[in-house]
Amino acid sequence: GQQVMQIPQYQHVQEGEDFTTYCNSSTTLSNIQWYKQRPGGHPVFLIQLVKSGEVKKQKRLTFQFGEAKKNSSLHITATQTTDVGTYFCGYSGAGSYQLTFGKGTKLSVIP
Amino acid sequence: NAGVTQTPKFQVLKTGQSMTLQCAQDMNHNSMYWYRQDPGMGLRLIYYSASEGTTDKGEVPNGYNVSRLNKREFSLRLESAAPSQTSVYFCASMATNTEAFFGQGTRLTVV
Repeated sequence: GQQVMQIPQYQHVQEGEDFTTYCNSSTTLSNIQWYKQRPGGHPVFLIQLVKSGEVKKQKRLTFQFGEAKKNSSLHITATQTTDVGTYFCGYSGAGSYQLTFGKGTKLSVIP
Repeated sequence: NAGVTQTPKFQVLKTGQSMTLQCAQDMNHNSMYWYRQDPGMGLRLIYYSASEGTTDKGEVPNGYNVSRLNKREFSLRLESAAPSQTSVYFCASMATNTEAFFGQGTRLTVV
């Protein structure tokens, strides 16, 4: 079956440092989604990537989908305390309605 | 504009008791999902329903049953609760190939 590894599992950064989380698949993905879950909250959708090599930006967040559609990354520039939470990638196989998630990267920001 | 509503928010069960977690969405989405979230394990898919009248197993279906009662409602039943089912449960819904919306979660403790 499809396997997606998300790394790192944890990341502690000083406020103002950059942060990146990666999702790596053994097979081609039809699309990939990114979600953020604040402590004690529920996952909230950030973005969906569909095209090979796609890059999207939301303020300090940059999302990339690899050329082979097997890898994706979320990069946060100059982290702030409001960025604290767990970031998940979510994906479905081609023609499948099953929505599966990586294990997530828990980001802590030290003020 | 409720989105995805889960009930109850908290529940404590004794081993062997049964209960049903309720989920309803008002966005006319076809697909609905049940996940459990445990520390370090991310979001694991229990069951999903691609459309009214269909259900499919996810990664961790053992010990659970589901019912897609109609397009709006997707319930999760624990027939004989076990301590290993202590977790936070999230329901989600999604239109085809778009963002998933999550409920607020149910914190279940089995003693």
